[in-house]
Amino acid sequence: AQSVTQLGSHVSVSEGALVLLRCNYSSSVPPYLFWYVQYPNQGLQLLLKYTTGATLVKGINGFEAEFKKSETSFHLTKPSAHMSDAAEYFCAVSANSGYALNFGKGTSLLVTP
Amino acid sequence: GAVVSQHPSRVICKSGTSVKIECRSLDFQATTMFWYRQFPKKSLMLMATSNEGSKATYEQGVEKDKFLINHASLTLSTLTVTSAHPEDSSFYICSANRQGGTDTQYFGPGTRLTVL
Repeated sequence: AQSVTQLGSHVSVSEGALVLLRCNYSSSVPPYLFWYVQYPNQGLQLLLKYTTGATLVKGINGFEAEFKKSETSFHLTKPSAHMSDAAEYFCAVSANSGYALNFGKGTSLLVTP
Repeated sequence: GAVVSQHPSRVICKSGTSVKIECRSLDFQATTMFWYRQFPKKSLMLMATSNEGSKATYEQGVEKDKFLINHASLTLSTLTVTSAHPEDSSFYICSANRQGGTDTQYFGPGTRLTVL
């Protein structure tokens, strides 16, 4: 079975500061890992994903995440936060291509001026 | 490309009535679609996996007779909430995998169901 744990249901950063959203996974097989963003009353937008290969994954809007097998982590980072980054962020894992996703509980990112 | 739409975006219904939600892949064919439910300020919970031309696979605890799923074509899956009750009020989101495509799921914008 696969699962993810997102540490911190709420994260607040100042505009221009580093964004770090934490995600740890549990998987009995090599995981497929994803980060999604959700704006209020909207669906999910894929930020980035890790399947195989390079462990540092770059996504849209300046986000990136690093797959660390030894730490079972897939933390999401962005060097400089923008006000428009305020949203709900979900980490997700699946066992294989085309499988359903198991989501973390989400982290609400607040960006202050 | 890879756009998934849902209709309606919002629906309000009376308790006891049935509501149908459509999920369409607009520019690709999807052999598999997934239905998720999201409670306020909560994560997404997988309800069922919908495969074109076959019966949906429901997650444990999801009543298949209450949440009817039909995947009649490669671009359309429907979720019907039968005899809706206020506790069925939620945000329902579908996603689709591109036929023969990558491991990315494309999500619809969601449907907000309110049962009075």
